Amino acid sequence: LAKTTQPISMDSYEGQEVNITCSHNNIATNDYITWYQQFPSQGPRFIIQGYKTKVTNEVASLFIPADRKSSTLSLPRVSLSDTAVYYCLVGDGDMRFGAGTRLTVKP
Amino acid sequence: DAGVIQSPRHEVTEMGQEVTLRCKPISGHNSLFWYRQTMMRGLELLIYFNNNVPIDDSGMPEDRFSAKMPNASFSTLKIQPSEPRDSAVYFCASSPPRGTYNEQFFGPGTRLTVL
Repeated sequence: LAKTTQPISMDSYEGQEVNITCSHNNIATNDYITWYQQFPSQGPRFIIQGYKTKVTNEVASLFIPADRKSSTLSLPRVSLSDTAVYYCLVGDGDMRFGAGTRLTVKP
Repeated sequence: DAGVIQSPRHEVTEMGQEVTLRCKPISGHNSLFWYRQTMMRGLELLIYFNNNVPIDDSGMPEDRFSAKMPNASFSTLKIQPSEPRDSAVYFCASSPPRGTYNEQFFGPGTRLTVL
């Protein structure tokens, strides 16, 4: 299983763009990169998934360089409600959640 | 769709008692996952099923834990006997047959307290 490394915590302010980078140096050819969001007292929620280059949906963008050894989740113009833990997962089938990045958005 | 349904939402029991957690996955999903979350250990995968068959149970802590999936619409996680260190939030998740297991839909969780 590919191991992921991401910052433990990040702070931001409302209206700013937030970029969370995840390192996954031993990603395998068949692995996808998936990000989840978890609010307190709730289960994680799927945000976005990608294999290479750039993926964008209504919530976020995911940037993946050509070597796929890292990925960056980009949240445009965050609000207080984006305060949550963000998990980066890599795999094709079985996956493991790491500690995640605790994002705190301040007014 | 109602999403993944878990019951009970809260369970308080005494050490030594049997605890059964229940999960109903989203209709049409063919993979089901059981997780445990604590402050100390984070979110841990306990076991996952594909087409009702257990694929990987290496995350199950010990023999006191068992999981079953008798059909595509129901799964149970049983702890017998329960211990205070089993106190945690237990999540069930399911995912559709799209070629990867990656998009998992989580239930609301069961908060278990063992006294």
